[in-house]
Amino acid sequence: SQQGEEDPQALSIQEGENATMNCSYKTSINNLQWYRQNSGRGLVHLILIRSNEREKHSGRLRVTLDTSKKSSSLLITASRAADTASYFCATDEGRMGGGSNYKLTFGKGTLLTVNP
Amino acid sequence: DTEVTQTPKHLVMGMTNKKSLKCEQHMGHRAMYWYKQKAKKPPELMFVYSYEKLSINESVPSRFSPECPNSSLLNLHLHALQPEDSALYLCASSQSSRPQETQYFGPGTRLLVL
Repeated sequence: SQQGEEDPQALSIQEGENATMNCSYKTSINNLQWYRQNSGRGLVHLILIRSNEREKHSGRLRVTLDTSKKSSSLLITASRAADTASYFCATDEGRMGGGSNYKLTFGKGTLLTVNP
Repeated sequence: DTEVTQTPKHLVMGMTNKKSLKCEQHMGHRAMYWYKQKAKKPPELMFVYSYEKLSINESVPSRFSPECPNSSLLNLHLHALQPEDSALYLCASSQSSRPQETQYFGPGTRLLVL
């Protein structure tokens, strides 16, 4: 079952503007991660936020997590053309019986276009 | 070295062919993954190997056969594929399969089945 659902599905902004993407999920999580994917390439990890954290920063990235609403947001400040990519949230989902067999389930993603 | 490499980058195969995708990492990671990604969709997990043992198979058809010869290598053997199997196949690795681990992805193999 797919956990994360991002919105918007697509976002087009001008260079220098801020971009906000949201992610909602359905079940309890240990962590939520954000990944970025340039067109047709592999994914790159951006940031991880633990379930007991509410906000985290990394450079121009700010992630928030609201476990009561089962939602997260990714803010990219002062966007650049090079930020053009798809952004996915990913939640962990423990396996039946516990143990260490966790898997990441990716949301549908937001396609961000930053126009020069 | 924080790189995951995948070969080939592109692959075209017929439905009767047998081919293999290869993935390699030298980060000492003990968990490795295969994902399938269709255009404009998120990656979907296929298999997880933890300490060279298959730990998760997401009900993948038997025409996909994973293999982990050692801790650095992960193969995906393909046989009698269907056109709907055309997709980007991504390999990833992480320190372990615990939930807080970051996954490092390779660039993918773009597969076209004719």
